[in-house]
Amino acid sequence: DAGVTQSPTHLIKTRGQQVTLRCSPKSGHDTVSWYQQALGQGPQFIFQYYEEEERQRGNFPDRFSGHQFPNYSSELNVNALLLGDSALYLCASLQNPYNEQFFGPGTRLTVL
Amino acid sequence: GNSVTQMEGPVTLSEEAFLTINCTYTATGYPSLFWYVQYPGEGLQLLLKATKADDKGSNKGFEATYRKETTSFHLEKGSVQVSDSAVYFCALFGNEKLTFGTGTRLTIIP
Repeated sequence: DAGVTQSPTHLIKTRGQQVTLRCSPKSGHDTVSWYQQALGQGPQFIFQYYEEEERQRGNFPDRFSGHQFPNYSSELNVNALLLGDSALYLCASLQNPYNEQFFGPGTRLTVL
Repeated sequence: GNSVTQMEGPVTLSEEAFLTINCTYTATGYPSLFWYVQYPGEGLQLLLKATKADDKGSNKGFEATYRKETTSFHLEKGSVQVSDSAVYFCALFGNEKLTFGTGTRLTIIP
């Protein structure tokens, strides 16, 4: 049984560019959440997708957007990248109505 | 809003020492509580959880008890090993999301 997978593993972009990160949830899970983990900090909740809609959103600007596909996989898009967007982006999946979230290995984004 | 406060690190212990990492929380309602561990270069792994007051979560020799009266969920292990070196995060689940503490870096010296 594959766990949560994310791609790419690492990514380097320059300021102003756009980036798309991808996540495939654990088998049987229908909900995907995205978190941003800055260096030396705890993860911060970005948003959650369920039934292809954004169900909950954290304190992140509209430059951060997402999508969920019918197979429950998800994308995180960030526009107009800033240096401060450099972080580890974690995807987590869960199966409603349970609250135990399983995390992927993350995508390390570096903005130069 | 919900918040989690963790004992600041880093924490350095000798092998076989007793470990405590303090965690307190502020939340509305009755959240579920978690400890996650992050090894270098990796994502988060669930270490243990507790879903209601007085529940004790345990895994790999680690334990934590959900104390509603003190709003705490302290992590303990009786005898740490070098392989326990990692960053530990306390978290609560409420309002459909996890809220994390800032993490505690633990280093075990042989």
